Amino acid sequence: NAGVTQTPKFQVLKTGQSMTLQCAQDMNHNSMYWYRQDPGMGLRLIYYSASEGTTDKGEVPNGYNVSRLNKREFSLRLESAAPSQTSVYFCASSEGGQGYSPLHFGNGTRLTVT
Amino acid sequence: QKEVEQNSGPLSVPEGAIASLNCTYSDRGSQSFFWYRQYSGKSPELIMFIYSNGDKEDGRFTAQLNKASQYVSLLIRDSQPSDSATYLCAVGDSNYQLIWGAGTKLIIKP
Repeated sequence: NAGVTQTPKFQVLKTGQSMTLQCAQDMNHNSMYWYRQDPGMGLRLIYYSASEGTTDKGEVPNGYNVSRLNKREFSLRLESAAPSQTSVYFCASSEGGQGYSPLHFGNGTRLTVT
Repeated sequence: QKEVEQNSGPLSVPEGAIASLNCTYSDRGSQSFFWYRQYSGKSPELIMFIYSNGDKEDGRFTAQLNKASQYVSLLIRDSQPSDSATYLCAVGDSNYQLIWGAGTKLIIKP
C-alpha cells in the first residue's frame, strides 16, 4: 500500500506565483489534514477535512485554500505565494478525528518562495 | 491557549541505555496521547498512542501516562543509534483537537 502520497516533493516559487499541492490516501480514511512544519515551531495545522465534503480552518489558514475532491484526495492551494510560506508541508490522514485517531503522514513537500 | 511542552534537547543517551522523553500538557480534559518519531528530513511516523492512565508497552517502547500530573512519557529501552531522531508528543484535547509539542531531539551515542 502506498499510504499517503504527496506531490510534488520539492518546489521553488517566486513571490506572487500560485501552486497546488496534491495529496491522496489509499487507506479509506475519513479525515485528512494539511500541516506545515518550520524549524523550532513544530507542526501547525493549516486546514483539515473531517469527512468528504467538509473542510475547516486550522491554526494558520491565511494564504491557503483547500479542496476535498473526494474521499481519497485533499489538495492545498497557494493563490499568491509569499516568502513566509517557505516551509515543509505534510499531508496526513486518519480513520477518525484528529484528536483520537493516529495520523498517517505523507513524505512532505519542501516549498521555497523567493 | 492550550499547550504541549517538551524539552527541545538534544538529549544524549549512551547506546544500550534507557532514553526517557517527557511531555506535559495544559488541558486537564485531554483524552488521547501520541508519540511520533521524525528522522531528519522525513515525515513523522507513529510510535505509540495511549488513552488510559498507566503504562503501555510495545517492544522496546513504553508510554507512561499520568493524567493527575498532566504528563506523558516515552521510554526507549536498549537504545540503538537508529533511535536517534526527534520525538514529537501530540495530545488530543478536550475538544478533540490535536495539540503538538515542538519535539525533543534524541541522540544515541555508540
